[in-house]
Amino acid sequence: DQQVKQNSPSLSVQEGRISILNCDYTNSMFDYFLWYKKYPAEGPTFLISISSIKDKNEDGRFTVFLNKSAKHLSLHIVPSQPGDSAVYFCAATPEGINNAGNMLTFGGGTRLMVKP
Amino acid sequence: DTGVSQNPRHKITKRGQNVTFRCDPISEHNRLYWYRQTLGQGPEFLTYFQNEAQLEKSRLLSDRFSAERPKGSFSTLEIQRTEQGDSAMYLCASSLVEGASREQYFGPGTRLTVT
Repeated sequence: DQQVKQNSPSLSVQEGRISILNCDYTNSMFDYFLWYKKYPAEGPTFLISISSIKDKNEDGRFTVFLNKSAKHLSLHIVPSQPGDSAVYFCAATPEGINNAGNMLTFGGGTRLMVKP
Repeated sequence: DTGVSQNPRHKITKRGQNVTFRCDPISEHNRLYWYRQTLGQGPEFLTYFQNEAQLEKSRLLSDRFSAERPKGSFSTLEIQRTEQGDSAMYLCASSLVEGASREQYFGPGTRLTVT
């Protein structure tokens, strides 16, 4: 039972355009969401996060949107650059007692290719 | 470099052998996590420590797996009697429980190949 799903295994965009990566979740206990970027042979690198009390968080070229009623979040990258080419994972974690646990549940990833 | 480090980066072993991996977290972080990632999948949670206490284990962590964090600093993950299905990337992450932040910072991983 996949609690976090990224339905697009790959996405190709032109340099300078917007990249939109989508993620859906089923567990209503999730209340904090993160995006990670992963290059081959490296560990995931934290990009941006959002708490369920917000519907948008922005950091430079990266913006994450959260639609709680639809259990959907998206990552927008604008403008996209060739260096953004990587696999992107969304992850979710539930609110624990005193932040106990907070283990991350990951989606399967979306491979983004930004063409020059 | 003050990030999470993992050793070795690659390990090839024969089925039935034991292997041990090490993780050194970011020094001020009090939580340490182990995840496993197989090809084409996202990382899956295995276990975590708060300081030296192992507080949760996934059902993925069979009795052949054991993890320790003896002094609340580095951690080791041992797999006994390895099987081909154990071939994966083993990732370590650390975090500092502070306020509302829940970001975890990952090391480069140890890629295990069981032949």
